[in-house]
Amino acid sequence: GAVVSQHPSRVICKSGTSVKIECRSLDFQATTMFWYRQFPKKSLMLMATSNEGSKATYEQGVEKDKFLINHASLTLSTLTVTSAHPEDSSFYICSAREGGGSAEAFFGQGTRLTVV
Amino acid sequence: GESVGLHLPTLSVQEGDNSIINCAYSNSASDYFIWYKQESGKGPQFIIDIRSNMDKRQGQRVTVLLNKTVKHLSLQIAATQPGDSAVYFCAENSGYSTLTFGKGTMLLVSP
Repeated sequence: GAVVSQHPSRVICKSGTSVKIECRSLDFQATTMFWYRQFPKKSLMLMATSNEGSKATYEQGVEKDKFLINHASLTLSTLTVTSAHPEDSSFYICSAREGGGSAEAFFGQGTRLTVV
Repeated sequence: GESVGLHLPTLSVQEGDNSIINCAYSNSASDYFIWYKQESGKGPQFIIDIRSNMDKRQGQRVTVLLNKTVKHLSLQIAATQPGDSAVYFCAENSGYSTLTFGKGTMLLVSP
């Protein structure tokens, strides 16, 4: 299947700083990318959907000013957690869909964020 | 809103047994369903999918059954192996929209 690369896999940052997570589709063009958050032993919660070249659509309850999403190209989307707090510590996962009506989404390997 | 849910949080089986993981969904408009496997610290991995115009689909050692009458989805794993130990999620898709994930079932396979 198609490959989605997420970087970094682990990051530790101090409270109040910002951290950027990258999601790249390596062998296909991802017209739509999704960002999920996952707490331990819980399911994936969709945070936002981003389409290349347009603003992301955030799910209810997700602060768009805190979780900045940029999808500047067909192969790259970034999630920036701004002014991070310990409660932002979580596992963040991206997925990408190829255009043309394909429904299958390919997932990155996830990023473990720890805010200290 | 409508959601996808799972009945069992943990399923323990012996190596070689067949495993069945169940999922109930409530959105009758969903037309595409996917099962994912997630190992600890990793992203979800696609296992098998099924469209709403089918009621059964088979892969290698896995079978997905869809019962639209009762809005039920199941994943059957034949001859379960220790490497199958993971959390399994079902997900539903309505049209060309996002995936909604179920709560997950942890499968534990004992040698």
